Amino acid sequence: AQSVTQLDSQVPVFEEAPVELRCNYSSSVSVYLFWYVQYPNQGLQLLLKYLSGSTLVESINGFEAEFNKSQTSFHLRKPSVHISDTAEYFCALTSSSASKIIFGSGTRLSIRP
Amino acid sequence: NAGVMQNPRHLVRRRGQEARLRCSPMKGHSHVYWYRQLPEEGLKFMVYLQKENIIDESGMPKERFSAEFPKEGPSILRIQQVVRGDSAAYFCASSPRESANYGYTFGSGTRLTVV
Repeated sequence: AQSVTQLDSQVPVFEEAPVELRCNYSSSVSVYLFWYVQYPNQGLQLLLKYLSGSTLVESINGFEAEFNKSQTSFHLRKPSVHISDTAEYFCALTSSSASKIIFGSGTRLSIRP
Repeated sequence: NAGVMQNPRHLVRRRGQEARLRCSPMKGHSHVYWYRQLPEEGLKFMVYLQKENIIDESGMPKERFSAEFPKEGPSILRIQQVVRGDSAAYFCASSPRESANYGYTFGSGTRLTVV
C-alpha cells in the first residue's frame, strides 16, 4: 500500500524567513510526487511535480522540492516566504499503475509579519 | 477554457435529506475523481469515474453514497439521508487521461453542512 506522511500539521514562520514543509512517502513501486496548495475557501492548485529526471523541481513562485529516493522524501522549501504564501500545502503521490492520487494530511503554513 | 466547475459552492441540508453535488470536468477531460475533505483532515479519495463507468469506488462509504458520470452532463455525487458526519468539503478533479501522473485539475469544491 502507498501512503504519504506530512509530519507537521502547522508551520508558523516570519515573513521573509525560509521554510521547509516535510513530506515522506511509502511505496513499493516507483512514484510520481506532487505538491498542491490550497488557499482559504478554494480548491487545490498544483504547485509542482516530480515525474522523472532532475530530482530538484521548481515552481513559478519560488518554491522548490527535492525528490530523495533513499530517504523517501519530497520536502518543499522556499528561501523567503511572503504573506501571500499563507495556505495549506498538500503532498501527494501516485504511480504508473495507480488509478488515483493519494494525499497527505496537509501542512498549514502561517506567515507572521 | 473553463476549469472544473462544481456547484453549488455551499449546500445546507437537514439530517435525513438528500444532497446532490455536481461536477463538470474541464473540456476534453473524461476522467473524474471525487475527494472529501473533513475539517482539519486531508483529502480522502472517494471514487474515480469515466464516462458511464465507475472505475474505482474503494473510498466510497458502503451505504448512502453513490456517484455517476453519464454520457451527457456533469458527474453527480449523491448522498442520501445525510447525517452530521457528512459535513465536509467535497472536491471534484478531472484529468484528460487514465494515468494520474500528470496531476489533476481541481474544482473549488462544494461545502456541505448538515444541520
